[in-house]
Amino acid sequence: DGGITQSPKYLFRKEGQNVTLSCEQNLNHDAMYWYRQDPGQGLRLIYYSQIVNDFQKGDIAEGYSVSREKKESFPLTVTSAQKNPTAFYLCASSFTENTEAFFGQGTRLTVV
Amino acid sequence: KNQVEQSPQSLIILEGKNCTLQCNYTVSPFSNLRWYKQDTGRGPVSLTIMTFSENTKSNGRYTATLDADTKQSSLHITASQLSDSASYICVFMIKAAGNKLTFGGGTRVLVKP
Repeated sequence: DGGITQSPKYLFRKEGQNVTLSCEQNLNHDAMYWYRQDPGQGLRLIYYSQIVNDFQKGDIAEGYSVSREKKESFPLTVTSAQKNPTAFYLCASSFTENTEAFFGQGTRLTVV
Repeated sequence: KNQVEQSPQSLIILEGKNCTLQCNYTVSPFSNLRWYKQDTGRGPVSLTIMTFSENTKSNGRYTATLDADTKQSSLHITASQLSDSASYICVFMIKAAGNKLTFGGGTRVLVKP
């Protein structure tokens, strides 16, 4: 199946711990994105990458880090510096910035 | 500041009825406007994509319209089905922001039998 896969679907983390969310796509897309979704709010861009080994900060990058070592993969690390990490995280990919973005199924992160 | 406001925040309709969701915007200029459907706990799925010069686009029972004069877009759902229960999000690709996507907060639709 072609698509974009996020794992895990649910993730629990203790306060003070770093955690990494996985995002893999086999659509041959160059661009990949991470968004955060909070209840009643629009999606907010955390990081994006237009090409392998390159990525840019989005609107709310503080407390997050990413890597893009392979075209297919764009993992997001939520660090202990992120003050309010409990949220629904969505990964997306597209051929370029101008083309349609396809979203993964999301990871719900809860800090306990 | 680029703003995208959706209304109503939530909506309950009976199966088989029509409904219209609104999206008011101040973003300008934009490359395209998208409407997404998001089931609870899932990722958004694209319904329609419209360029600035288009004023209507359909996808089955979903029809999106764009009025550049009033800076309003709407999504009309015809003959609603239980599976239409979801959040609907309007999204603008903004040229001045390097073609970044700006999302509305969504309208949650519940279709009841």
